[in-house]
Amino acid sequence: SQQGEEDPQALSIQEGENATMNCSYKTSINNLQWYRQNSGRGLVHLILIRSNEREKHSGRLRVTLDTSKKSSSLLITASRAADTASYFCATDVGNTPLVFGKGTRLSVIA
Amino acid sequence: DTAVSQTPKYLVTQMGNDKSIKCEQNLGHDTMYWYKQDSKKFLKIMFSYNNKELIINETVPNRFSPKSPDKAHLNLHINSLELGDSAVYFCASSLLIGGGFYNEQFFGPGTRLTVL
Repeated sequence: SQQGEEDPQALSIQEGENATMNCSYKTSINNLQWYRQNSGRGLVHLILIRSNEREKHSGRLRVTLDTSKKSSSLLITASRAADTASYFCATDVGNTPLVFGKGTRLSVIA
Repeated sequence: DTAVSQTPKYLVTQMGNDKSIKCEQNLGHDTMYWYKQDSKKFLKIMFSYNNKELIINETVPNRFSPKSPDKAHLNLHINSLELGDSAVYFCASSLLIGGGFYNEQFFGPGTRLTVL
């Protein structure tokens, strides 16, 4: 089955900097979702972007989707220590389970 | 609080034992899921129930048996536990009606299972 893959696997930045994570996938999708997982916790939904959308914003988060390149990016602006977590992309190809990538582990250093 | 809850949070047991994990959601969702997250953080779906009916059963050993007594509950029973079953198990829920699987999923806090 196809799978989203995040890049990089790990990212370490200073507080206040921007963090960019990428997700690539293999087949056509209905939508792509980004989730955050804090250490020892369940996943929390951040943003859903549909295949006919190119960009979406939510607070300090910006998600882009390029269906021609089969890729998405998640940008966190003005990062905070509390943004330290693992970030996962999940792809929906319609009536099949969401397929999660392996995640990007973000560390924001105060 | 509206949420997806799981019990227990930690489960340590011996190989060969049988154990159960319970999940409840009070979000009014009609679909519930069980995921397994391994030590490398890879999250893989195991089962999904829609209105108490099994709709997804990925390649999972038949030692794992889900049970959904009603729309708000999805339990997972594991027989003859093996070392490789050690992982974090997450329950999740979503609304399937009118949306398919693309609706956002709400996750429980996870159950860390350790098989010795």
